[in-house]
Amino acid sequence: AQTVTQSQPEMSVQEAETVTLSCTYDTSESDYYLFWYKQPPSRQMILVIRQEAYKQQNATENRFSVNFQKAAKSFSLKISDSQLGDAAMYFCAYRSVNSMYSGGGADGLTFGKGTHLIIQP
Amino acid sequence: GAGVSQSPRYKVTKRGQDVALRCDPISGHVSLYWYRQALGQGPEFLTYFNYEAQQDKSGLPNDRFSAERPEGSISTLTIQRTEQRDSAMYRCASSLVPQRGGPDTQYFGPGTRLTVL
Repeated sequence: AQTVTQSQPEMSVQEAETVTLSCTYDTSESDYYLFWYKQPPSRQMILVIRQEAYKQQNATENRFSVNFQKAAKSFSLKISDSQLGDAAMYFCAYRSVNSMYSGGGADGLTFGKGTHLIIQP
Repeated sequence: GAGVSQSPRYKVTKRGQDVALRCDPISGHVSLYWYRQALGQGPEFLTYFNYEAQQDKSGLPNDRFSAERPEGSISTLTIQRTEQRDSAMYRCASSLVPQRGGPDTQYFGPGTRLTVL
């Protein structure tokens, strides 16, 4: 089974600065997908960015980018020019490509425990 | 609809009662997922459907939990004989295509906050 680890329970950053949230995962698969979801105080779950493991190029979405290191099984999220609206819980998630090797729950997402991001004005 | 909707948004029940949680996916979305999220934790996968067929229920904690999606649209997660440990946020998500393990994005509903007294 896959596991996702977010080692930073909480991070704080000044408005307009850059912050990086870390995520590592454990898998024996070679193909998979990785996601970052944002959960603001409203408790919605909003997709921020996703990365296909077979792609070497790091995904970017406006101020959000990832640093995907496949060999190290690391998938960090960088938020540039932080804004007050970025304050939220951020969850890293993994999804298998080939459910044959992944056992039960292969088609659901496996989430980390989350990082609470605080934006200081 | 515009997004995934869930009802009720809040449910308080007494231990031993049965509860039914409803999910209405985005129109046209084929796959529907159920997750449970304890406070301070990430969502935990429970089960999912492609159309009306339940593909994987290995994440359901025990046989008190069941789910159905009889017409391939709205789904109901039922918890029988609720216990205090069942208290959590129950989230539903849907995605467009029935692609096993693919990249298809899952869109989440607002969740149902269940409290078992």
